[in-house]
Amino acid sequence: EAAVTQSPRSKVAVTGGKVTLSCHQTNNHDYMYWYRQDTGHGLRLIHYSYVADSTEKGDIPDGYKASRPSQENFSLILELASLSQTAVYFCASSDPYQQYFGPGTRLTVL
Amino acid sequence: GDSVTQKEGLVTLTEGLPVMLNCTYQTIYSNAFLFWYVHYLNESPRLLLKSSTDNKRTEHQGFHATLHKSSSSFHLQKSSAQLSDSALYYCALSDVNTGNYKYVFGAGTRLKVIA
Repeated sequence: EAAVTQSPRSKVAVTGGKVTLSCHQTNNHDYMYWYRQDTGHGLRLIHYSYVADSTEKGDIPDGYKASRPSQENFSLILELASLSQTAVYFCASSDPYQQYFGPGTRLTVL
Repeated sequence: GDSVTQKEGLVTLTEGLPVMLNCTYQTIYSNAFLFWYVHYLNESPRLLLKSSTDNKRTEHQGFHATLHKSSSSFHLQKSSAQLSDSALYYCALSDVNTGNYKYVFGAGTRLKVIA
């Protein structure tokens, strides 16, 4: 069974602080993704990566950085967290025919 | 670029009535894969069904969809809605054959089934 894990599962951050969300996959997939989901909205792609040490911008990259130090790990970094970044964040890995999502991280910025 | 449109943001149905969630897409690639993902509250999105074959019905867990390339549609259907079907449903597209595994998701349709 494919496995994608995320940490932390929930976080409260202060405005202007730095936040790092981590994702780990044991699927041996090259592709990994970060999405955010807001109430009333669908999944929106922030960053993705198809090889270690390289990341690509998704549809809404502003205010976010990503890091892919290895095939298994993909982090999302908020250097200066803002209220508007309060959301649920999902990590996923994929093969050509399916995406496998992690459990999500609920981020609240106060 | 590629795009997926789900026009209905919310569909409310009485239990037992048929379900139809609409999905249309745009892509320049002839062999794109279309997907339906289901996202239950407090869970992760998971694949419900997928297809890349024109005019072939795909079924899973009581749901079915047929990819129609002529109309660029991949509507999700079920003959009889159940309370447990209440969830957020995403239609998605991927141009697998280009080697680009970037998935494009629609905005999602929330299905609410009431007794």
